[in-house]
Amino acid sequence: ETGVTQSPTHLIKTRGQQVTLRCSSQSGHNTVSWYQQALGQGPQFIFQYYREEENGRGNFPPRFSGLQFPNYSSELNVNALELDDSALYLCASSLWGGETQYFGPGTRLLVL
Amino acid sequence: AQSVTQLGSHVSVSEGALVLLRCNYSSSVPPYLFWYVQYPNQGLQLLLKYTTGATLVKGINGFEAEFKKSETSFHLTKPSAHMSDAAEYFCAVGSGGGADGLTFGKGTHLIIQP
Repeated sequence: ETGVTQSPTHLIKTRGQQVTLRCSSQSGHNTVSWYQQALGQGPQFIFQYYREEENGRGNFPPRFSGLQFPNYSSELNVNALELDDSALYLCASSLWGGETQYFGPGTRLLVL
Repeated sequence: AQSVTQLGSHVSVSEGALVLLRCNYSSSVPPYLFWYVQYPNQGLQLLLKYTTGATLVKGINGFEAEFKKSETSFHLTKPSAHMSDAAEYFCAVGSGGGADGLTFGKGTHLIIQP
């Protein structure tokens, strides 16, 4: 059974740029959620994707967007990067309706 | 709305001593409760979860937690700490189904003294 994988592991961008992060869900899981974890904080829910549509969103602006593909993998896109976007971005997969989420290793984004 | 409060940003115990990490939650619906562990530069690993049924939940690595509805608590314990337990621990609450995501506490850094 393959766990959740994310790419890249690290990324450095400058303010105003755009970034795309990628996630492959655990085998058999059809739902993907994204979280932002700032340094020294707990993860914060960004949004969730199921059947290639966003079906839940946390308190994040529209410049945070995503996609889910037919194979259940997902992308997180962030436009107009700000310094405060520097964080660890975590992807989690689950079964639709299931309560347990399984996390990937994360992508660490640094915005300069 | 849901929220989680973890008391103590840092907890230090001696190797072999009892570990107690505190978590209190607020939820308007019956909660699903989780403890995750995060080792340096890694993602989150599920330690244990409470959904329904037995209120004392056993997890991996000798950890357990007890759901106390009257106290809105879900404290994590381990009878005897090991050096490898040093990590960041997060308590989280969900509503089942997951469309609102999990709400996490700020985490507790567990330090093990030799």
